[in-house]
Amino acid sequence: GGIITQTPKFLIGQEGQKLTLKCQQNFNHDTMYWYRQDSGKGLRLIYYSITENDLQKGDLSEGYDASREKKSSFSLTVTSAQKNEMAVFLCASSMEGANTGQLYFGEGSKLTVL
Amino acid sequence: GEQVEQRPPHLSVPEGDSAVIICTYTDSATAYFYWYKQEPGAGLQLLMSVFSNVDRKEEQGLTVLLNKKDKQLSLNLTAAHPGDSAVYFCAVTSGGSNYKLTFGKGTLLTVTP
Repeated sequence: GGIITQTPKFLIGQEGQKLTLKCQQNFNHDTMYWYRQDSGKGLRLIYYSITENDLQKGDLSEGYDASREKKSSFSLTVTSAQKNEMAVFLCASSMEGANTGQLYFGEGSKLTVL
Repeated sequence: GEQVEQRPPHLSVPEGDSAVIICTYTDSATAYFYWYKQEPGAGLQLLMSVFSNVDRKEEQGLTVLLNKKDKQLSLNLTAAHPGDSAVYFCAVTSGGSNYKLTFGKGTLLTVTP
């Protein structure tokens, strides 16, 4: 079996700071995703990547950058953290697209902005 | 775009009872439907997936019903036990894309001993 590893697990930042989250998968999956989870709002897609060096915007891409330099890794950057922002960022991967079945999720990275 | 409404947001049932969670979606062309479970501090784990040509699917105490006429998807946990306590999300593929999932807002299920 494979695993998705997100680092860091907890991230505390200052307002206006640029913050980067990293995700690694060893499933050899083609597609990787970044979702943002806010309490009471479900999951919203920020960016996804169909293959190495590919980037596709999701519904919530404003304020974020992403990078897929290797098949196994997908990073997300918060370009300017917002004061009092608190959310969990979930990385996921799948073989091909979501319609092929299962997305495998990491445990999440919890962001707190002071 | 696709909208998914999930209810109830919170559900508490005694052990042994059934629990039902319902999602309604807006796009009649939606083809793939999923139920995920999230335990505290963990990522989401796929419970069941159904394609649009399936009306009912049962697996290991879980029943998924798909009513395409009413654009409604439901998850029924029969004989719930405390280990079923978690947040449950429905998700559907959306916007004609094979890559984008639209999630419901989640249901926090608590099963009391």
